[in-house]
Amino acid sequence: GAGVSQSPSNKVTEKGKDVELRCDPISGHTALYWYRQSLGQGLEFLIYFQGNSAPDKSGLPSDRFSAERTGGSVSTLTIQRTQQEDSAVYLCASSSGMNTEAFFGQGTRLTVV
Amino acid sequence: RKEVEQDPGPFNVPEGATVAFNCTYSNSASQSFFWYRQDCRKEPKLLMSVYSSGNEDGRFTAQLNRASQYISLLIRDSKLSDSATYLCVVRTGSARQLTFGSGTQLTVLP
Repeated sequence: GAGVSQSPSNKVTEKGKDVELRCDPISGHTALYWYRQSLGQGLEFLIYFQGNSAPDKSGLPSDRFSAERTGGSVSTLTIQRTQQEDSAVYLCASSSGMNTEAFFGQGTRLTVV
Repeated sequence: RKEVEQDPGPFNVPEGATVAFNCTYSNSASQSFFWYRQDCRKEPKLLMSVYSSGNEDGRFTAQLNRASQYISLLIRDSKLSDSATYLCVVRTGSARQLTFGSGTQLTVLP
């Protein structure tokens, strides 16, 4: 596709369940970012992938959060044993290089009930 | 101190007004700078990159002052459609992650 694609667009899950969020970056983009945004708040960095380098995981809030990027393309963010405070919009972005602008997907709105 | 700081506003201005937003960043090694806009319940979208010499795109002018670690965005002849939250974004360090300011909310009034 032309842009960054995220799925699902909305996810409601019960507290304690695991969820997987998917991001399909723009074709050819080597950098991929995950952020989350709680209602009325700014963007919180989670994790960054650049090519084949080790990912920057410094923003992951706890060991319940993990992310993979397979084949340098699609990425999956997994949240285990979800808590209500995990409710937020999870945004994925990609960029073509280390110093270029990033383009965002429309996000996944996660609600933990 | 936050890595990227912005005045949260809100800025309420009449149509046709000129409005300026400022942003400061803490890391002098920052490499790249951007302004994004975010509409309510939408994803951030790139407005413009910010270059060392300053740059202009229509009604929008961005400036960078490396010595003061300061970025600005000027919007001339404001339109109703300019109402949004404006995010200052900085790329810093070897990790190259993008750090976002918390945003400045602008409402252009008829």
